[in-house]
Amino acid sequence: DQQVKQNSPSLSVQEGRISILNCDYTNSMFDYFLWYKKYPAEGPTFLISISSIKDKNEDGRFTVFLNKSAKHLSLHIVPSQPGDSAVYFCAASGSGGSNYKLTFGKGTLLTVNP
Amino acid sequence: KAGVTQTPRYLIKTRGQQVTLSCSPISGHRSVSWYQQTPGQGLQFLFEYFSETQRNKGNFPGRFSGRQFSNSRSEMNVSTLELGDSALYLCASARGYQETQYFGPGTRLLVL
Repeated sequence: DQQVKQNSPSLSVQEGRISILNCDYTNSMFDYFLWYKKYPAEGPTFLISISSIKDKNEDGRFTVFLNKSAKHLSLHIVPSQPGDSAVYFCAASGSGGSNYKLTFGKGTLLTVNP
Repeated sequence: KAGVTQTPRYLIKTRGQQVTLSCSPISGHRSVSWYQQTPGQGLQFLFEYFSETQRNKGNFPGRFSGRQFSNSRSEMNVSTLELGDSALYLCASARGYQETQYFGPGTRLLVL
């Protein structure tokens, strides 16, 4: 039972354009969402997060949108740069003791072409 | 500020052996979580420790165990290794409850 889904295994965009990575979740107890970026042979690097009380959070070139009714979030990267090429993981956690753990999607490989 | 460190970075073991992996969290972080990453299953939660107490545990067999010391450093142990235990084991630390988790570089374990 995959509670966090990233349905696109890969995405390819041109440098300077917008990259949009999508994530869906099924567990209504999730109330905190994060995006991580991962290079091969390294640990995930935290990018940006959003709490369920918000619908948008922005940090530089990265913006995360949350649609609670659709149980959907997306990460926008504008403008995309070749150094953004990596695997992007969506993660979610819920409040309350036993829910405090990160549940990850399977990741989306982003390739930004020069 | 130094990041999360994990030792060793690479490890080769044979079936039936046991292994201990170590994680030093970011200074001031009291929560340490462990995850397993495999190509088939992705990143899966193993367990989380806070102030030397295990607060959460994922769906892994009892062969997987861990502990946290008073200085917040953590170890995880896998006994009776199986081929399927070959994976990247990641440690993440956070300041406290439901704070952002920051990951270490991982330990790559290969079981032959």
